[in-house]
Amino acid sequence: SQTIHQWPATLVQPVGSPLSLECTVEGTSNPNLYWYRQAAGRGLQLLFYSVGIGQISSEVPQNLSASRPQDRQFILSSKKLLLSDSGFYLCAWSVQGTDTQYFGPGTRLTVL
Amino acid sequence: GEDVEQSLFLSVREGDSSVINCTYTDSSSTYLYWYKQEPGAGLQLLTYIFSNMDMKQDQRLTVLLNKKDKHLSLRIADTQTGDSAIYFCASTSGNTPLVFGKGTRLSVIA
Repeated sequence: SQTIHQWPATLVQPVGSPLSLECTVEGTSNPNLYWYRQAAGRGLQLLFYSVGIGQISSEVPQNLSASRPQDRQFILSSKKLLLSDSGFYLCAWSVQGTDTQYFGPGTRLTVL
Repeated sequence: GEDVEQSLFLSVREGDSSVINCTYTDSSSTYLYWYKQEPGAGLQLLTYIFSNMDMKQDQRLTVLLNKKDKHLSLRIADTQTGDSAIYFCASTSGNTPLVFGKGTRLSVIA
């Protein structure tokens, strides 16, 4: 069966520091991968999605970037965090050619 | 682009039925989804319905789709305190990633 992991689970970072959040999927090949941010426990904002290694689509221009160095690994990064980057970051995957998304447990990021 | 709307809050008594409503704008939507999010957790897929169906039932969950009015509902029978969560409606036309509503926070009163 397929599983999706995110780490860390929680993170507290100072303004201006770098960020790296990791998402990995097990039990499937060539998945679509997605990064979302959820602010204040409401509403999902799609940040990036990827249909293959090195293929990243950015939905919202901002202080973040994404990379997919391996088939089942998706990384969210920032060079310098802003206060507004605080939120709950969710990774999701779907089977290629289908739309049903399965979510990871999330990472709670607090920028102070 | 596609827009998905939901009411933000719903409060029901334990044992009653809950009905969470959702409207969407894209008439070419092919699949419509319901996800559940418990506090501090990721989203859990509850159920989904294909656009050529009117109803889908899965144990205590009933999904109704009115394609003419672009209206989707989720009915939870015999609502329990463990059903307290945020429920997200989402749609897709197959060409773009899922579009989510802002979520309905269901509070179950014992």
